[in-house]
Amino acid sequence: DGGITQSPKYLFRKEGQNVTLSCEQNLNHDAMYWYRQDPGQGLRLIYYSQIVNDFQKGDIAEGYSVSREKKESFPLTVTSAQKNPTAFYLCASSMGYASEAFFGQGTRLTVV
Amino acid sequence: AQSVAQPEDQVNVAEGNPLTVKCTYSVSGNPYLFWYVQYPNRGLQFLLKYITGDNLVKGSYGFEAEFNKSQTSFHLKKPSALVSDSALYFCAVRDDSNTGKLIFGQGTTLQVKP
Repeated sequence: DGGITQSPKYLFRKEGQNVTLSCEQNLNHDAMYWYRQDPGQGLRLIYYSQIVNDFQKGDIAEGYSVSREKKESFPLTVTSAQKNPTAFYLCASSMGYASEAFFGQGTRLTVV
Repeated sequence: AQSVAQPEDQVNVAEGNPLTVKCTYSVSGNPYLFWYVQYPNRGLQFLLKYITGDNLVKGSYGFEAEFNKSQTSFHLKKPSALVSDSALYFCAVRDDSNTGKLIFGQGTTLQVKP
């Protein structure tokens, strides 16, 4: 089955810890994206990558980091510098500018 | 700057009645517009898109959307609502910086009552 897989589905982080959210796609898409979803605020772009070994900051990149070493993978690290990390995180990929984005099932991160 | 507005936080309709979820946009060039649906604790599912061509776009699950350039709107519609259509709906426009980024509205919760 082709698609995007995010793991884990639920993640708990202690104060001061870094955590990494996984995103893998087998759709052969060049572009990948990370969004953050908070209640009533829609989706906000954290980072995006249009090609392997290249990525760009989105609107709310502070406290986050990414890598794009393989076309299939675009992991997101939530660092201790992110002051309010509790949110629902969504990974997406797309084939081209006019193409729709495909989304993973999300990771819900909670700070405990 | 590009933006998307969904003026209604929630829309309530009775099952079997037509539904409309509103979306207006602001872009500097030709808009690439999308509708997505999200069920609780799930990712977004693509419903339909407008790139060019006919102003009435048909999508998944019986949904359609009408592109109106003069009113800069892209309202989502369905002739007969189902209880299972109850979900959170997002309108989005492609950023015109050629990066493929999507700009989302804040979402509209659709509640279909039996």
